[in-house]
Amino acid sequence: AQKVTQAQTEISVVEKEDVTLDCVYETRDTTYYLFWYKQPPSGELVFLIRRNSFDEQNEISGRYSWNFQKSTSSFNFTITASQVVDSAVYFCALSELNFNKFYFGSGTKLNVKP
Amino acid sequence: ETGVTQTPRHLVMGMTNKKSLKCEQHLGHNAMYWYKQSAKKPLELMFVYSLEERVENNSVPSRFSPECPNSSHLFLHLHTLQPEDSALYLCASSQDGTGFYEQFFGPGTRLTVL
Repeated sequence: AQKVTQAQTEISVVEKEDVTLDCVYETRDTTYYLFWYKQPPSGELVFLIRRNSFDEQNEISGRYSWNFQKSTSSFNFTITASQVVDSAVYFCALSELNFNKFYFGSGTKLNVKP
Repeated sequence: ETGVTQTPRHLVMGMTNKKSLKCEQHLGHNAMYWYKQSAKKPLELMFVYSLEERVENNSVPSRFSPECPNSSHLFLHLHTLQPEDSALYLCASSQDGTGFYEQFFGPGTRLTVL
């Protein structure tokens, strides 16, 4: 079974729409970290956020917000008023605090059309 | 230079060639990673180095040989590759290899094996 599931393979929206990217994870550990990365067409993954398992507060950073819910093992990412520059592949990742237990989801490709 | 750099950015090689990929991080980190990214597959962790010691080899074929001469440099030596090895190879670094810290990625080397 996949440790991190991003069920949405590709999403297309029109500029200024809000969009939510889903991430569901699986772990038996009580201490773990969750991450979101953005991979624009240039190829370099850019770190967006890190959240530990003990902090369920939602986080907002500009147009980006994250909703962490342990009860559903989800860590969803919402972009408000999307822009063309948001077009990229977004990856969710889980770390079980071991160098070889860092798992990436398969990614969601977001297309924002003008 | 800042962040994580990788050279070359693009590489085309025949199956009998020997080549090397280079990664350098300017962040003072103690852990470095090699990932393989193929089309429509999750990021695959290949190798992890922590404090210049290899700590993980995720069943990677011996035609891939990593080298970490110091905490700032990481190489991936390639020999007798197969066409299915064509992919984007990403290097990353993090403060340590515990999984607590986010990873910072380089732009990748796009490898094509003919």
